[in-house]
Amino acid sequence: DAGITQSPRHKVTETGTPVTLRCHQTENHRYMYWYRQDPGHGLRLIHYSYGVKDTDKGEVSDGYSVSRSKTEDFLLTLESATSSQTSVYFCAITKQGGDEQFFGPGTRLTVL
Amino acid sequence: AQSVTQLGSHVSVSEGALVLLRCNYSSSVPPYLFWYVQYPNQGLQLLLKYTSAATLVKGINGFEAEFKKSETSFHLTKPSAHMSDAAEYFCAVKGGRRALTFGSGTRLQVQP
Repeated sequence: DAGITQSPRHKVTETGTPVTLRCHQTENHRYMYWYRQDPGHGLRLIHYSYGVKDTDKGEVSDGYSVSRSKTEDFLLTLESATSSQTSVYFCAITKQGGDEQFFGPGTRLTVL
Repeated sequence: AQSVTQLGSHVSVSEGALVLLRCNYSSSVPPYLFWYVQYPNQGLQLLLKYTSAATLVKGINGFEAEFKKSETSFHLTKPSAHMSDAAEYFCAVKGGRRALTFGSGTRLQVQP
């Protein structure tokens, strides 16, 4: 357990509304990641961060932005949600000196 | 760029039978490879990892995987399936900034 929480755990929203998902960690790890999981695609990287205010785009970053103003929080924002962003979103961290990632419990987002 | 391919989106075995889940990788550098398991409505849990040490890697819950460079494979096995092994399994390879690239997943069904 790497002390990762995600909020909200479930959210239903309408097309065109902004949505922010929060990932919170309690162990001050430097590397944090956002993935989305869709059937048949596994997990795909949206954005990642390697420190406060240091972020970069992943494979499927269009329509998403992130912010990391504190080590413990990594926020994912959908500026204007679309139905194609209906998915399960996972946050992950890599521990200092480690290779594997540890995942949060996920957020199920439905965009109507 | 690194990638992984999982052969078979669904695998069904009988309880007590051998489990074999296939993963092939593509990497221009010596890969770091991982297997994760996801139980229904949960996050991902690390089963095992290969980081260029021993080619036969033992993980949790009786699973193991063998790294075969000549075949670019990292297949996951367990000698005797248990009902509790029913889950989705993901193979992944480490890329830049320690981000992971995942396969599309294999859902394991265990028949009584």
